[in-house]
Amino acid sequence: DTGVSQNPRHKITKRGQNVTFRCDPISEHNRLYWYRQTLGQGPEFLTYFQNEAQLEKSRLLSDRFSAERPKGSFSTLEIQRTEQGDSAMYLCASSTGPPNEKLFFGSGTQLSVL
Amino acid sequence: AQSVAQPEDQVNVAEGNPLTVKCTYSVSGNPYLFWYVQYPNRGLQFLLKYITGDNLVKGSYGFEAEFNKSQTSFHLKKPSALVSDSALYFCAVRGTGGGFKTIFGAGTRLFVKA
Repeated sequence: DTGVSQNPRHKITKRGQNVTFRCDPISEHNRLYWYRQTLGQGPEFLTYFQNEAQLEKSRLLSDRFSAERPKGSFSTLEIQRTEQGDSAMYLCASSTGPPNEKLFFGSGTQLSVL
Repeated sequence: AQSVAQPEDQVNVAEGNPLTVKCTYSVSGNPYLFWYVQYPNRGLQFLLKYITGDNLVKGSYGFEAEFNKSQTSFHLKKPSALVSDSALYFCAVRGTGGGFKTIFGAGTRLFVKA
């Protein structure tokens, strides 16, 4: 168990640029989640994958956000035309699902949009 | 809709005293309830969970939580606080009534004074 890995750890970009983050879950975990966390708040759910299928996406999520998990292993989260309000910590988590239900989180990618 | 409320932004206790961090929830179906902890500059870590069975669940580092269905609460407790328990604590819930997402509360900062 090498843990959930996220890259990069930090990303600074200018408003209007596109950014992509990568998450490598724990290898035997078929469930993968993306969350966003801002200072002083709890993680906010963005989207969920079971294997390669994206089964749930937050209704609050802008169309500028897209996520993929092409082979059911690693996942990418892309933000197009970034805005200053996108500045946050983006967290990835994975799990085996029932009966455990426990989420294993990565260290996150801190995005700063200037 | 699922929701989690942590009514206290911060809880202050003296080392050696018992601590309680409060959490109430609202879900469709039966609740899966969790507590996670976040230490400075570290990722979210699982503490404990309630899925079914005994209402009192025990977790890591001497923490426990009590599920109260009638009050829709899942308060985190520890009989004797340590300075090293100082961290940010998040309550989370997933309902069995549909959907896959785990929803997090806004967090409670625990400060244990020596």
